Amino acid sequence: AQSVTQLDSHVSVSEGTPVLLRCNYSSSYSPSLFWYVQHPNKGLQLLLKYTSAATLVKGINGFEAEFKKSETSFHLTKPSAHMSDAAEYFCVVSYAGGTSYGKLTFGQGTILTVHP
Amino acid sequence: GAGVSQSPSNKVTEKGKDVELRCDPISGHTALYWYRQSLGQGLEFLIYFQGNSAPDKSGLPSDRFSAERTGGSVSTLTIQRTQQEDSAVYLCASSSDRATIYFGEGSWLTVV
Repeated sequence: AQSVTQLDSHVSVSEGTPVLLRCNYSSSYSPSLFWYVQHPNKGLQLLLKYTSAATLVKGINGFEAEFKKSETSFHLTKPSAHMSDAAEYFCVVSYAGGTSYGKLTFGQGTILTVHP
Repeated sequence: GAGVSQSPSNKVTEKGKDVELRCDPISGHTALYWYRQSLGQGLEFLIYFQGNSAPDKSGLPSDRFSAERTGGSVSTLTIQRTQQEDSAVYLCASSSDRATIYFGEGSWLTVV
């Protein structure tokens, strides 16, 4: 079985300050991990993915995430928030196994608010 | 096409009517997924296609829901006798390598 827990339902930061969105996962197999972003009334956009290569993954728009197997975490960070980063962020786990290869399990989402 | 295309983008239907939602995956993508996004429920997996077959349909919530895929491309999700609790955004996604999954913008269904 696999599951994802996003530790914060809402995060609020000021523009120009760092962003940290926390995610812990559980998976019986070697997981693939993703962060997706969803702007209001828009579809899901892939920010970055981890698929067992480098543990520090760089994504679009200055975001990055670090896979820590010992902590079963995949936290998303950005050094300096921009107003356009305001959106909902989903941590997602997928595993390669059985008939559900590629099936995604989503976290509950973290809404990021950026203040001027 | 350049991305996953879904239609209709918005649908309002009366309770008890049937609806069909269509998904055009990215050309060449063999894997296709349907998810549902509801208020208070997050994103739920519905069904997964590999080619025209559905190895995993474990997320379909009831027998009112069905999906098919023809020619390894277009997929249709059908909801029969719609209920108000079916109101949600239905998201289609496709993938070529199952490591990167691309989503469409969704079909917003409202059952009144």
